[in-house]
Amino acid sequence: AQSVAQPEDQVNVAEGNPLTVKCTYSVSGNPYLFWYVQYPNRGLQFLLKYITGDNLVKGSYGFEAEFNKSQTSFHLKKPSALVSDSALYFCAVRDTGGFKTIFGAGTRLFVKA
Amino acid sequence: DTGVSQNPRHKITKRGQNVTFRCDPISEHNRLYWYRQTLGQGPEFLTYFQNEAQLEKSRLLSDRFSAERPKGSFSTLEIQRTEQGDSAMYLCATRGNMNTEAFFGQGTRLTVV
Repeated sequence: AQSVAQPEDQVNVAEGNPLTVKCTYSVSGNPYLFWYVQYPNRGLQFLLKYITGDNLVKGSYGFEAEFNKSQTSFHLKKPSALVSDSALYFCAVRDTGGFKTIFGAGTRLFVKA
Repeated sequence: DTGVSQNPRHKITKRGQNVTFRCDPISEHNRLYWYRQTLGQGPEFLTYFQNEAQLEKSRLLSDRFSAERPKGSFSTLEIQRTEQGDSAMYLCATRGNMNTEAFFGQGTRLTVV
């Protein structure tokens, strides 16, 4: 069975500092991994994905994520946080042989000016 | 705006009433998903369509829930005899054959009073 864990309910960071939002996953085969962001009362907006190849993937708004197969992790990162990055972030996984994408519980990112 | 349209955006209903939500996918997206999201949680998978065929239905989807996708275009999600526990955000997501990621609509927020 697939599962995703986001160990932090909330991450607080000062504007201009680097940020990391953690994610670990479990899947029977090879994973497709995703990060989505959600603003209040809105749907989920796709940020980036890992399919295959380079372990460091770059996405929208300066975000990037690093795939680590041995640690089954896919942490989201950004070198310099903005106040406007404050939102709810979801990590998600899908088995490459499947169709169902499973989401973590989410991490609220709060960037203080 | 991802191009996935959900209506209505908000629905308030009395307990015991039936409600129906609609999702219009990005054209040419043959895969369609319904998710439910409660406050502080990540989206939970409800059901999946490939074209007009409903290929999987979560155990979360009781007999009061039914979803259809006639002709493989728009989809509807109906909840009969609503209960207060049905109050949630209902999200639709679609994906084409050339996409690995899903695109989400804005969601329909259901409040059962």
